[in-house]
Amino acid sequence: QKEVEQDPGPLSVPEGAIVSLNCTYSNSAFQYFMWYRQYSRKGPELLMYTYSSGNKEDGRFTAQVDKSSKYISLFIRDSQPSDSATYLCAMSDVSYNTDKLIFGTGTRLQVFP
Amino acid sequence: GAVVSQHPSWVICKSGTSVKIECRSLDFQATTMFWYRQFPKQSLMLMATSNEGSKATYEQGVEKDKFLINHASLTLSTLTVTSAHPEDSSFYICSATSPYSFGSREQYFGPGTRLTVT
Repeated sequence: QKEVEQDPGPLSVPEGAIVSLNCTYSNSAFQYFMWYRQYSRKGPELLMYTYSSGNKEDGRFTAQVDKSSKYISLFIRDSQPSDSATYLCAMSDVSYNTDKLIFGTGTRLQVFP
Repeated sequence: GAVVSQHPSWVICKSGTSVKIECRSLDFQATTMFWYRQFPKQSLMLMATSNEGSKATYEQGVEKDKFLINHASLTLSTLTVTSAHPEDSSFYICSATSPYSFGSREQYFGPGTRLTVT
């Protein structure tokens, strides 16, 4: 079983739709949860990070963490064609200086006009 | 701010040759740099972690004699793939953390280097 599971998609939605992207994980030591966006043939860029459980909102993006279910989500409101990219979740445990990021496989999102 | 560049963006080499990939932090001093490889439709796999002036720490299963990492300065790390073979063809991405990063969780990624070994 992989430490982090993510549906690869592709997920195709019309412009303006609400998008829900999800990851599940198995390691209960994970405390930090990140979402990265990766455009084709480019490096990932950090969208949001959260610590432990709860919600975090940044503009059209909302990240949710449910540690009891080992489940995290990223919601995109009013999706735009420019949101078309691969979204990767990443996680790390509590060790501050020596931890590493464990990535999901990424979900490819397509937003059509 | 926090821009990371990689050079080259794409390289083709013949089997048995070596190729060097550079990773630079352009506007900050990188406390730590990471090297990943990414196969199509797969996640980023960490290969090694490096700190300036010290030996890189390789992940289990990564051959350190094949993937040589040199972190000569606070703004430059290089990955040399020695005696490359077709199975080494992949997308190699570096990342870096700055002194202001939230630990290694806040990594700034380069644009990646596509290596094709023929």
